[in-house]
Amino acid sequence: NAGVTQTPKFRVLKTGQSMTLLCAQDMNHEYMYWYRQDPGMGLRLIHYSVGEGTTAKGEVPDGYNVSRLKKQNFLLGLESAAPSQTSVYFCASSLTINTEAFFGQGTRLTVV
Amino acid sequence: KQEVTQIPAALSVPEGENLVLNCSFTDSAIYNLQWFRQDPGKGLTSLLLIQSSQREQTSGRLNASLDKSSGRSTLYIAASQPGDSATYLCAVRSGGATNKLIFGTGTLLAVQP
Repeated sequence: NAGVTQTPKFRVLKTGQSMTLLCAQDMNHEYMYWYRQDPGMGLRLIHYSVGEGTTAKGEVPDGYNVSRLKKQNFLLGLESAAPSQTSVYFCASSLTINTEAFFGQGTRLTVV
Repeated sequence: KQEVTQIPAALSVPEGENLVLNCSFTDSAIYNLQWFRQDPGKGLTSLLLIQSSQREQTSGRLNASLDKSSGRSTLYIAASQPGDSATYLCAVRSGGATNKLIFGTGTLLAVQP
């Protein structure tokens, strides 16, 4: 059972480039979340999804887009990367609102 | 807007000591609260999930309590060990239609041998 898998684990982008981070879970979870973690700021919610085909904005959604076309996948897109988006990105999932959330191992993104 | 605070930001204790980590939240309308552990450069590992209807939850040397009306939770670690050194995070699942999982900024724990 792989749990929550994030791809890639590391990436360096130039300012203005685009990329997509993939989160895949094999637990048939309904809820999926994307966070960024920055020193001194903690984990901040970017976007989340409460089921296939749904997405919603979190605390810091600007500059990011998401899609949940398949239940098991939650994609986070950066259309035009900026240095302020340098961060560690975490994906999480849970079966329902009443069950544990499980996290992936993170993607370390550097924008130069 | 739900805000989650963890105090202290950092804590250093000698091995064997019992300790308490604190988490407070501003909106008591929550579904549950979850405690996590994060080792440097790693992802988050779930420790305990406590539902809004529960007062406490135990796993091994860990005990989490929840006082929803006062917006507080504590994580009690008994007989601390150097391997317990990590950052401990609490997160609340907001009630209503938002279903967001909101995190505190964490407590960095160092257990000295």
